[in-house]
Amino acid sequence: QITLKESGPTLVKPTQTLTLTCTFPEFSLSTSNAAVGWIRQPPGKALEWLAAIYWNDDKHYSPSLKSRLSITKDTSKNQVVLTMTNMDPVDTGTYYCAHRPHTLPRGYFQYWGQGTLVTVSS
Amino acid sequence: DIQMTQSPSSVSASVGDRVTITCRASQGISSWLAWYQQKPGTAPKLLIYSASTLQSGVPSRFSGSGSGTDFTLTISGLQPEDFATYYCQQADSFPATFGQGTRLDNK
Repeated sequence: QITLKESGPTLVKPTQTLTLTCTFPEFSLSTSNAAVGWIRQPPGKALEWLAAIYWNDDKHYSPSLKSRLSITKDTSKNQVVLTMTNMDPVDTGTYYCAHRPHTLPRGYFQYWGQGTLVTVSS
Repeated sequence: DIQMTQSPSSVSASVGDRVTITCRASQGISSWLAWYQQKPGTAPKLLIYSASTLQSGVPSRFSGSGSGTDFTLTISGLQPEDFATYYCQQADSFPATFGQGTRLDNK
């Protein structure tokens, strides 16, 4: 049973930096071909892919947000951290981390966290 | 970025109906496409990947087809638990963009 859990602040002020942590006890991101990504969803709107990090430390970002995003992994802690700078109210939404196991090709996310709602407001 | 356009944006159907949702990519993505189901307040669930491969544990009434730019998700024999929002996602290139979603509700 693979689980992922997002953690971080539920409320941030405009211009602040958001730091979210994804913890996954049951698999290792050192496994060849494994990946973890972040996807967000504004209230009542569609999913938006943000970033992904791979077992070999390869990283990819949404071009529209690249200047504001950073994704890192700590293999020893089974964690992936996403930071997003200069937060704005339009960044309000549910942030999910998700796992592409080594058994799946490409960037398909089989396992998802429950999501964490982040509100940006002064 | 590759743009993914779903149609319709919403559809009403009844239990037992056959429902088809389409997804069009702004450029060719071979068969690198997934379909997800999302119910309110929950995370998306992977249904189909690589356009037509059914994820383990997903009922066989779900099927996917297509390649290149045009794809379809078909639900044959709609069940009460299928009322949800469905998203396509391309995995051909980064960023791995999603469609805008199709809401399937009970007529």
